[in-house]
Amino acid sequence: QVQLVESGGGLVKPGGSLRLSCAASGFTFSDYYMSWIRQAPGKGLEWVSYISSSSSYTNYADSVKGRFTISRDNAKNSLYLQMNSLRAEDTAVYYCARWLLRRFDYWGQGTLVTVSS
Amino acid sequence: EIVLTQSPATLSLSPGERATLSCRASQSVSSYLAWYQQKPGQAPRLLIYDASNRATGIPARFSGSGSGTDFTLTISSLEPEDFAVYYCQQRSNWAITFGQGTRLEIK
Repeated sequence: QVQLVESGGGLVKPGGSLRLSCAASGFTFSDYYMSWIRQAPGKGLEWVSYISSSSSYTNYADSVKGRFTISRDNAKNSLYLQMNSLRAEDTAVYYCARWLLRRFDYWGQGTLVTVSS
Repeated sequence: EIVLTQSPATLSLSPGERATLSCRASQSVSSYLAWYQQKPGQAPRLLIYDASNRATGIPARFSGSGSGTDFTLTISSLEPEDFAVYYCQQRSNWAITFGQGTRLEIK
């Protein structure tokens, strides 16, 4: 069965950096676009970024553009999110999700990122 | 950016009742709209895609309709496990947006 397991979250100071990982299994990872979506405490869902199956295309929400970088390693079935210049408003649960033709069909359980001094 | 507006913000109903949730787009998204259910402490789960197609394993009491700018998620007869938050989502011009959510609570 499809599994997505995020890791790498934690407490970081404003201006700091963090790298999230998502380990995928149960499907041919290299066939699918992948994405990161976040959810601030008590708030709704916000799309962050996606990457094409071969890493040729990426896109970012305006709120993270220039600070976050999405990448993937198809040999390791892994998705990454490098987050730099973190701000308090980046505090959220970050979900990894598989993107299939205009929808997110599978989601991980999320990893919490807290940006605080 | 296309803005999705969901209504109502909160819907209070009893098990067995029919629930109707609305999602309105600021411009046409054709039929490219999805619905998700999220329970406390859990990741969202895909319910409906392309406005009216149920995802794998989703019970038949969930249905979606609409096109263009107005969409509806209907739960024909509420089960106790259906009380949750529901989000709509669209993709256009390679940007993805979600509605702010509708909380479905037990009356």
